[in-house]
Amino acid sequence: GAGVSQTPSNKVTEKGKYVELRCDPISGHTALYWYRQSLGQGPEFLIYFQGTGAADDSGLPNDRFFAVRPEGSVSTLKIQRTERGDSAVYLCASSSGLAGVGEQFFGPGTRLTVL
Amino acid sequence: AQSVTQPDIHITVSEGASLELRCNYSYGATPYLFWYVQSPGQGLQLLLKYFSGDTLVQGIKGFEAEFKRSQSSFNLRKPSVHWSDAAEYFCAVVPDTGRRALTFGSGTRLQVQP
Repeated sequence: GAGVSQTPSNKVTEKGKYVELRCDPISGHTALYWYRQSLGQGPEFLIYFQGTGAADDSGLPNDRFFAVRPEGSVSTLKIQRTERGDSAVYLCASSSGLAGVGEQFFGPGTRLTVL
Repeated sequence: AQSVTQPDIHITVSEGASLELRCNYSYGATPYLFWYVQSPGQGLQLLLKYFSGDTLVQGIKGFEAEFKRSQSSFNLRKPSVHWSDAAEYFCAVVPDTGRRALTFGSGTRLQVQP
């Protein structure tokens, strides 16, 4: 597709359940980012991939959060034992190796609601 | 502490009026500076960026921003606002530390009155 896509667009789950959120970056983009945006706040960085490897995972809040990008394109953000505080919009962004620092293309997000 | 501050949570302007959205940063060195816009149902879109050089930068959709080192500010401006500019605006930085991730402010919601 032409832009970054994320699925599902909405996810409702119960406390304690496991969820997976998917991101399809723009074709050919080597860098992929995950951010989390809580209501009324700006996005907060979670993790950054360069190719298949996590180049910076300093934003992951705890070990319940994990992300993979096995083939250097699609990425999955995994959240174990979800908590109500995990409710937020999860944003994915990608950029090309030729792009300048900070020039990221964002997807529409996945709204996660933990009941 | 390093931070990005957008002091105005919500701003309302009349269509055709000028606009200025404020952004201040707190970093030891001048970071890379950005403005992103988030419209309902759409992803964040880059409006403009500042790395170095000319302190007045032009962006898309008629926006510009001015970097002022003495005030640690990077305010966004537009001379004449259109109804379609109603959205949430985020100032963001990448600290000049080799990191790639964006640090965002908390955003300013712009409402445009007819």
